[in-house]
Amino acid sequence: DAMVIQNPRYQVTQFGKPVTLSCSQTLNHNVMYWYQQKSSQAPKLLFHYYDKDFNNEADTPDNFQSRRPNTSFCFLDIRSPGLGDAAMYLCATSRGLAGGLNTGELFFGEGSRLTVL
Amino acid sequence: DQQVKQNSPSLSVQEGRISILNCDYTNSMFDYFLWYKKYPAEGPTFLISISSIKDKNEDGRFTVFLNKSAKHLSLHIVPSQPGDSAVYFCAAGRLNTGFQKLVFGTGTRLLVSP
Repeated sequence: DAMVIQNPRYQVTQFGKPVTLSCSQTLNHNVMYWYQQKSSQAPKLLFHYYDKDFNNEADTPDNFQSRRPNTSFCFLDIRSPGLGDAAMYLCATSRGLAGGLNTGELFFGEGSRLTVL
Repeated sequence: DQQVKQNSPSLSVQEGRISILNCDYTNSMFDYFLWYKKYPAEGPTFLISISSIKDKNEDGRFTVFLNKSAKHLSLHIVPSQPGDSAVYFCAAGRLNTGFQKLVFGTGTRLLVSP
């Protein structure tokens, strides 16, 4: 059974039209992450939530926002997608230190592929 | 500034032979290293990890070697199987933080032919 579920798997939007990607987890992990992966590049961390604490990477554009209404769900909002935002967006989870043994492992969803026309 | 580098974008190996995937890192603060495997249209899945206090970790057909002085790690798959064909990502991070800010390499595409 999938433990980190991302929806939609494929999203097509128009230039400048807002998009929301969702992620849910059944692992009860403290930490949820959003990564952006462009073709032939390394996954790049955009931000993460440790419980309700939001942590933005310094180079994440303001165009990207996130919400975590509860432990299980996390959303990625792209306010005005540009052509350069076309990518695979990966959600991942991990236990925080308070969640017991920290193995360092991230659990990834299957990703949401965003196309911008 | 790419802190984790996988210099071989692809590797082809025959079934039954050894596959060796390499990874180099530049940040000496990294103390934990992981390999992820990714099939097309799926998210990465954890394969094997190693902490900086070890130089080898083995799990079945998969062995990861760490050379801290060279800031180099490698993943050995023996024997290689066609089902191992995937993209392999090396990742590095620090375990003493409450979250895992993993830095990933660009991946190596492994093709194992029958």
